Amino acid sequence: GAVVSQHPSWVICKSGTSVKIECRSLDFQATTMFWYRQFPKQSLMLMATSNEGSKATYEQGVEKDKFLINHASLTLSTLTVTSAHPEDSSFYICSMVGTGNEKLFFGSGTQLSVL
Amino acid sequence: DAKTTQPTSMDCAEGRAANLPCNHSTISGNEYVYWYRQIHSQGPQYIIHGLKNNETNEMASLIITEDRKSSTLILPHATLRDTAVYYCIAGNFNKFYFGSGTKLNVKP
Repeated sequence: GAVVSQHPSWVICKSGTSVKIECRSLDFQATTMFWYRQFPKQSLMLMATSNEGSKATYEQGVEKDKFLINHASLTLSTLTVTSAHPEDSSFYICSMVGTGNEKLFFGSGTQLSVL
Repeated sequence: DAKTTQPTSMDCAEGRAANLPCNHSTISGNEYVYWYRQIHSQGPQYIIHGLKNNETNEMASLIITEDRKSSTLILPHATLRDTAVYYCIAGNFNKFYFGSGTKLNVKP
């Protein structure tokens, strides 16, 4: 099956710093990408949807200036958590779907801990 | 995306079939039924999906009712490694929302 590479797997940062998470499709071109976050013992919450070459569409309640999403190419999307605070500590997961593909493929996730 | 309803948790004996139900009564005609599972601290893993017909692959079978308002995921011979949270999603690729899922506990 298709492979989605996400890194880093985990990151610890100080409050106020910014963290970038990368998500790459290794063997297909991803026209649509989704970013989710997940708190302990909860389900995945959709943060935003992005299509290559256009601005991301954010879900209600998700601050677009805090969570910067760049869908740079058909194989790469990045999520930058700006000025991170302890409440941003969470498990962040990317997912991708390619043209003509009915399946959504997920990265392995990034555990962010903000001290 | 249509809202889905799943039981919070289920138990299954190792080697037996696990049948996980899902209600999606507001599903629209162009929305698929997808099943994913998530093992702790990992990204969700694709299992199976379907539109109207029943589907089977090497992992599982998907039974969709004729009115498409509900479906059942069947793991034919559950193993301990199948212990996970199973998510049923009714949607397409404009949006892809997860419900609360079912925690399947496979017991020896």
